[in-house]
Amino acid sequence: ETGVTQSPTHLIKTRGQQVTLRCSSQSGHNTVSWYQQALGQGPQFIFQYYREEENGRGNFPPRFSGLQFPNYSSELNVNALELDDSALYLCASSLVRTSEETQYFGPGTRLLVL
Amino acid sequence: GDSVTQMEGPVTLSEEAFLTINCTYTATGYPSLFWYVQYPGEGLQLLLKATKADDKGSNKGFEATYRKETTSFHLEKGSVQVSDSAVYFCALSGGTSYGKLTFGQGTILTVHP
Repeated sequence: ETGVTQSPTHLIKTRGQQVTLRCSSQSGHNTVSWYQQALGQGPQFIFQYYREEENGRGNFPPRFSGLQFPNYSSELNVNALELDDSALYLCASSLVRTSEETQYFGPGTRLLVL
Repeated sequence: GDSVTQMEGPVTLSEEAFLTINCTYTATGYPSLFWYVQYPGEGLQLLLKATKADDKGSNKGFEATYRKETTSFHLEKGSVQVSDSAVYFCALSGGTSYGKLTFGQGTILTVHP
């Protein structure tokens, strides 16, 4: 069984640019969540997708957007990058979207904005 | 809103010492509680979880009991190893968090031989 994968592993961008991060969910999982983890902090919820629809959003501005595809893989897009967007971006998938369900995390994409 | 508070770190122990990492939470309703571990340069791995009051989660010698009366989910291990050195995150899901995880700030554990 393949776990959650993310690409790229590392990325360097400059302020004002746009970035797309990708996530492949674990086989059979229809729910994908994205988190931002700043250095030395716990992950913060960005949004969740369930069957291609956004299912909830954290306290992030609209320049953070996402997609989920029919195969349940997902993208996170960030426009107009700011220095504070530098962080580890984690994707997590789960079998169902209940509070009891375990979310399985990928290794993350480390984004540096200069 | 929901929140998780972990004990301040970092925590430094000698091998075979007893470990406790405190975690308390604030949430409405009956959240599920989790401990995740993050090794250097990696993503998060589920360590254990509990989905209702008085449940005990356990894995790899780690244990935590869901205490609703004290809103706590403290992580314990009787004898730590060097390989347990990592960052530990307490998290909750449920309450007002429909399926998202709300994390604590993390506790860095370093175990010396």
